[in-house]
Amino acid sequence: AQKVTQAQTEISVVEKEDVTLDCVYETRDTTYYLFWYKQPPSGELVFLIRRNSFDEQNEISGRYSWNFQKSTSSFNFTITASQVVDSAVYFCALIAGGTSYGKLTFGQGTILTVHP
Amino acid sequence: DAGVTQSPTHLIKTRGQQVTLRCSPKSGHDTVSWYQQALGQGPQFIFQYYEEEERQRGNFPDRFSGHQFPNYSSELNVNALLLGDSALYLCASSGPAQGVETQYFGPGTRLLVL
Repeated sequence: AQKVTQAQTEISVVEKEDVTLDCVYETRDTTYYLFWYKQPPSGELVFLIRRNSFDEQNEISGRYSWNFQKSTSSFNFTITASQVVDSAVYFCALIAGGTSYGKLTFGQGTILTVHP
Repeated sequence: DAGVTQSPTHLIKTRGQQVTLRCSPKSGHDTVSWYQQALGQGPQFIFQYYEEEERQRGNFPDRFSGHQFPNYSSELNVNALLLGDSALYLCASSGPAQGVETQYFGPGTRLLVL
């Protein structure tokens, strides 16, 4: 079975602060895929990034960066110089191989509030 | 290029009734997945449709059923509604099927069961 844990339920920061959202995953499969989604108040899940288990290269996209470490089963997400528009619920998710082929397993989500 | 669309946006039903939710996938996508998101929780996988057949199913009772049409659109049906079925129902599309594709989500249907 697969599991995703986002230990931080809520995070509150002031604009321009850096913030890191933690994600720890569990799977017995050697091939798996990790995702981050953003859910603003409107409810729609917005895809942010995807990482394959065989590619541990970290990625930076503007103010967003992701740190994937297989040794600790973590896939953390950092927002640099946060903005009010970053306020949302962020979900980490996993698709593992085998019978869970198309099933996304989500964490509980982290509510990020950025204050002006 | 239209994204994933869902209808209706909101729905109110009473216990015991039946409901049908609809989803149109993103252009070029052939796979549709449905998720249930209870308040304050992460989405839970209901099932996935590909080539008009249910390819994979999560831990949901048979009251939850679905269908995919030749144009890849999909419906989610829930029979004998319970209060606990109140949730945001999200549809996601992906494809074309060449392995594990990224799923793109629609805005969801908010279902309230009274």
